Amino acid sequence: SQKIEQNSEALNIQEGKTATLTCNYTNYSPAYLQWYRQDPGRGPVFLLLIRENEKEKRKERLKVTFDTTLKQSLFHITASQPADSATYLCALGGAFSNSGYALNFGKGTSLLVTP
Amino acid sequence: NAGVTQTPKFRVLKTGQSMTLLCAQDMNHEYMYWYRQDPGMGLRLIHYSVGEGTTAKGKVPDGYNVSRLKKQNFLLGLESAAPSQTSVYFCASSYSAGGIGQPQHFGDGTRLSIL
Repeated sequence: SQKIEQNSEALNIQEGKTATLTCNYTNYSPAYLQWYRQDPGRGPVFLLLIRENEKEKRKERLKVTFDTTLKQSLFHITASQPADSATYLCALGGAFSNSGYALNFGKGTSLLVTP
Repeated sequence: NAGVTQTPKFRVLKTGQSMTLLCAQDMNHEYMYWYRQDPGMGLRLIHYSVGEGTTAKGKVPDGYNVSRLKKQNFLLGLESAAPSQTSVYFCASSYSAGGIGQPQHFGDGTRLSIL
């Protein structure tokens, strides 16, 4: 069966450190992978997209890697700040059965950055 | 710039009642989606639309109906609410299919409780 796995346990790190979140998937061949941020009581907000032929993407303090052999994406936040505390969702995109080109989301990982 | 607006924000229903959730977007997006988010389950696609007048089933469509009479609006209906439909419902839109790289823009959700 198809699975998208993100760390279910919250990630606690100290301000200034690099946070690394993992997204693993099985039985998917995604054309794209996206990362979203979700704050309590709010909808997800798009952060980054990486395509299957790209190894790495950066945006300011954010970096995403995509390894289609390992079936894994890593999401890094460098010089983390308390304002980065949120839940981060990965989402796979592609021509999956049943839902056209809709995204399939992981359950998300909660990040807490302490001063 | 409003983006994606969902109404109502909160609602409590009794089992067997019906209601309609409204989603409106002002970005002239072609694609619109309805998801539900439950603890430990992540976002699951209920129905989606690839353009005005079209709708399609997602992964968890049972008990829901949708309509897209106008490009900017996507309605989600519960004909006979059941406690299992207690959830947070998110609407999203994208310029084209999320699976080919377009980010999805989310509303802030409707929190629905069925007693």
